[in-house]
Amino acid sequence: ETGVTQTPRHLVMGMTNKKSLKCEQHLGHNAMYWYKQSAKKPLELMFVYNFKEQTENNSVPSRFSPECPNSSHLFLHLHTLQPEDSALYLCASSQVGSNYGYTFGSGTRLTVV
Amino acid sequence: EDQVTQSPEALRLQEGESSSLNCSYTVSGLRGLFWYRQDPGKGPEFLFTLYSAGEEKEKERLKATLTKKESFLHITAPKPEDSATYLCAVLGAGGTSYGKLTFGQGTILTVHP
Repeated sequence: ETGVTQTPRHLVMGMTNKKSLKCEQHLGHNAMYWYKQSAKKPLELMFVYNFKEQTENNSVPSRFSPECPNSSHLFLHLHTLQPEDSALYLCASSQVGSNYGYTFGSGTRLTVV
Repeated sequence: EDQVTQSPEALRLQEGESSSLNCSYTVSGLRGLFWYRQDPGKGPEFLFTLYSAGEEKEKERLKATLTKKESFLHITAPKPEDSATYLCAVLGAGGTSYGKLTFGQGTILTVHP
């Protein structure tokens, strides 16, 4: 596979469930990102990982827990979510130090019921 | 802090009616300006990168231009399949913005047949 792959594409979960979103990049990039995109709102940066180290956490509630075991994989662990957390969650990767932008995955459409 | 403002927020065109989308930016040392296209429920898809004022790039009916303060995405004779949200982002060189894209809120383009 090439590019950035996100799974699952769609997820419906109850407020008491625990689930995880997965992202894998096949580009050899050294940085990965999680974004939240709610309906008719701009992209919201959630977390940044450079060389597997978390370098940014934009005041994200603790019910979202990221994990980056290596430079190719990124997870977003979800627990005790609220209905307002329903959104499109996008993963992206980039090569920090280059002048190239991000490559995005296709996203996970999350619905919290 | 880097900032990106896109206008208009939404644009409705008739098929064949040419127009332009605007992206105004302030950035500490521009390393690149990026245009993405995003279809509903999907991740942003890369269109263009511009690196210096005066640069232009074209792809089918789209042409992107860059000045020191703004970028335009010109759409010539659009078709309904050009309907999407168009995102602009900048990559700065300074401080905490190093390696991190700053996105605008996007312009929702609708082309009617």
